[in-house]
Formats: sequence, structure tokens, C-alpha cells
Amino acid sequence: AQSVTQLGSHVSVSEGALVLLRCNYSSSVPPYLFWYVQYPNQGLQLLLKYTSAATLVKGINGFEAEFKKSETSFHLTKPSAHMSDAAEYFCAVSAPNTGNQFYFGTGTSLTVIP
Amino acid sequence: EAEVAQSPRYKITEKSQAVAFWCDPISGHATLYWYRQILGQGPELLVQFQDESVVDDSQLPKDRFSAERLKGVDSTLKIQPAELGDSAMYLCASSTDSQETQYFGPGTRLLVL
Repeated sequence: AQSVTQLGSHVSVSEGALVLLRCNYSSSVPPYLFWYVQYPNQGLQLLLKYTSAATLVKGINGFEAEFKKSETSFHLTKPSAHMSDAAEYFCAVSAPNTGNQFYFGTGTSLTVIP
Repeated sequence: EAEVAQSPRYKITEKSQAVAFWCDPISGHATLYWYRQILGQGPELLVQFQDESVVDDSQLPKDRFSAERLKGVDSTLKIQPAELGDSAMYLCASSTDSQETQYFGPGTRLLVL
């Protein structure tokens, strides 16, 4: 079965500082990996996804993530945080051996300090 | 840009009452999902449809929850009777097929009193 662990339920950064949100996955087969963002009282919006092509994936709003098989990680980064980046971020994994069902992490709440 | 529609956005009900949520997926998306998201947690899959057929409802509490997608387009999720522990955000998502990106609607926030 697949699973996702997001280290740090709350992360605070200063405006303009580097954003690093951690995600580690568990999968017995090559997975697909996703990062979604959720603003208060809204649904989830896809930031980026990894589907076995390039290991460095660029997404919307300046975010990117790197798939590292040796570390079973898919950390999300952004060079310079904006106030508008404050939201809840979810990492998710899916794999064909479980019917491509999505398994979500528990989320990381990002606070941006002006 | 096409979006997944859900209604209502908010619902307050008393325990033991029946509630229903509606979802209209992006046109042409064959796969539809219902998730429950408890505050402070990630979404958990309740049921997955491929066209009008249920593919996975292993996590759906079938004694009180039901879901249908009769014509393979829009879908309804029902809870009867509602319990206090059902208070959560109910999210609908759709994709072109089960291997593709899921697109989420805005959700229905349910409060059971």
C-alpha cells in the first residue's frame, strides 16, 4: 500500500524567504506524486505532479518539487515566499497496483510573516 | 476554465436528519470521487465512480452513507441519519480516467449539531 508523510504540520517563513515543505512517500512500485494547495473553505488546487518523467517538476505560482527515489522524497520548494502563498499544502501519492487511488498526507499549514 | 461544481457550499443539520450533497464534474470526466476531509487532516476517499459504476466504496460507511451517479455525469452523496462525527468538508473530484490528475470542487462544509 501507498502512504505519505508530511513532516511539520505548521511551517512559518518570512516574506521573501525560501519555502521548503517536506513529503516522504512509501510505495512498492514507481508512484505518481502530487502537491495540492488548499485555501480556507476551498477545494484543492493542483500545484504540480510527478509521473516518471523529469525528476525536477515545475508547477504553478513558482513552486517546484524534486523526486528523489533514493530518499523516497518529493519535497516542495519556492525560492521566495509571497503573502499569497499562505495556505494548506497536501502531498499525495498514487500507484497502479492500488487502482491509482490517491493517498493524501495530513497537510502542512504555511504561514508567511510580513 | 472548466470546474467541478458542488452544492450546497455549507450545510448545517441536526443529528438524525438526512442530508444530500451534489457534484457536477468537469464535462467529459469519466471518473468521479467523493472525499471526506476532517478538519486538520488530508482528504480520505469515500467512493470512486467510473462512469455510472462504483469502482471503490470500501471506505464508505454503508449503513448511513450512499452515493449514486445514475447517468454517469453528476453525482449525489447522501447521509441518513447524520451523526455528530460526520461534521467535515465533503469534496468531490473528477478526472478523465483513474490514472490522471484529479480536479477538485470547492467542497461542502457540513456541520451536524
